[in-house]
Amino acid sequence: DAGVIQSPRHEVTEMGQEVTLRCKPISGHDYLFWYRQTMMRGLELLIYFNNNVPIDDSGMPEDRFSAKMPNASFSTLKIQPSEPRDSAVYFCASSLGHPNQPQHFGDGTRLSIL
Amino acid sequence: TQLLEQSPQFLSIQEGENLTVYCNSSSVFSSLQWYRQEPGEGPVLLVTVVTGGEVKKLKRLTFQFGDARKDSSLHITAAQPGDTGLYLCAGGWSFQKLVFGTGTRLLVSP
Repeated sequence: DAGVIQSPRHEVTEMGQEVTLRCKPISGHDYLFWYRQTMMRGLELLIYFNNNVPIDDSGMPEDRFSAKMPNASFSTLKIQPSEPRDSAVYFCASSLGHPNQPQHFGDGTRLSIL
Repeated sequence: TQLLEQSPQFLSIQEGENLTVYCNSSSVFSSLQWYRQEPGEGPVLLVTVVTGGEVKKLKRLTFQFGDARKDSSLHITAAQPGDTGLYLCAGGWSFQKLVFGTGTRLLVSP
């Protein structure tokens, strides 16, 4: 079975540029989560979707961050304009909509903003 | 504000030793999950506990959920180099949303 697929695996760009991170969840999963991981703050939930609808975006740090889920098999996280403090590993995860189900994580996108 | 504090933050031990990792909060959770993360990969679920006082065993790993559902522990017996990784606890209140702990980085040397 294919797991959660994220692209790109690594992204290096200059500050001010637009960054788009992509995620394909596991087929049949109806929840999708975007996380950010840093040494200082650990793993933080940014936003999550249920059936393609954003449910909670309280973790999105600023208006520079936006996320979309146009269909059940694709989601994007966009940063515009990017800043050096956005450098982190960004994870996408998906899960089934039953209580206490595990979240299945992708391998992450390591983002470096110069 | 970090709602789930893990201790210790770092642990370096020799193969064969036992260890315990703690996950503490002032909040009550409906469930508590433990994940392990290896370098360059995402976290992978080890176990879910849902009942206060519950104990689950996974080979050499023993997980316990506190009676008040505010804390949890992970005990590893006879640690092996393959146990090396970042251990994360995650508390759940509402449907599917989790908050992750600060993490414990474990290194087991041969």
